[in-house]
Amino acid sequence: DIQVTQSPSSLSASVGDRVTITCRASQSISNYLNWYQQKPGKVPRLLIIAASSLQSGVPSRFSGSGSETDFTLTISSLQPEDFATYYCQQTYNIPRTFGQGTKVEIK
Amino acid sequence: EVQLVESGGGLVQPGGSLRLSCAASGFTVSSSDMTWVRQAPGKGLEWVSLVYAGGTTYYADSMKGRFSISRDNSKNTLYLQMNSLRAEDTAVYYCAREGSGWAMDYWGQGSLVTVSS
Repeated sequence: DIQVTQSPSSLSASVGDRVTITCRASQSISNYLNWYQQKPGKVPRLLIIAASSLQSGVPSRFSGSGSETDFTLTISSLQPEDFATYYCQQTYNIPRTFGQGTKVEIK
Repeated sequence: EVQLVESGGGLVQPGGSLRLSCAASGFTVSSSDMTWVRQAPGKGLEWVSLVYAGGTTYYADSMKGRFSISRDNSKNTLYLQMNSLRAEDTAVYYCAREGSGWAMDYWGQGSLVTVSS
């Protein structure tokens, strides 16, 4: 199975900060890496498809980059509604593994 | 409008069975890759099972032989039959459609399954 490791597991940031979350795969997955946002008690929401494509309706302050084994989710200017947990997921093969999540908290 | 509505969750004793349903609207389940994901209380997301549009099915190792994914094309509904349930299967179960890049673009609202005596 492909392991997907996110870092950090949590971070504290202020409104307006630039935030970066990384995801590393245990083997090359090309660009088959997606990012999701989940708020407490809510359904996960797809943010980024195939490493860098913004899902329809997602604000442009979210961006993704990377390929092969190393990927990044960036929030250019953190907004109050962005405080949530973020997950990466590889869909290169089965099982479709998720990272352990990164909780973004208010500083 | 695409929508996934789940039902069937609840409390079940260890060793028992439960079937989750995921009724779709706005698209055709049989023409889509569909998946189940779960989330134990306070934990992260865990992939459970997948059925490709062509009908091939896959399961996470810990669910093989106990869980079964299926669909009813006439009802446009996805199912997850769960047998031999264990306490560690307690979670919110989500159905989702896999779209571009096999990303899960539409999700059900989640069904809570509690395995306890």
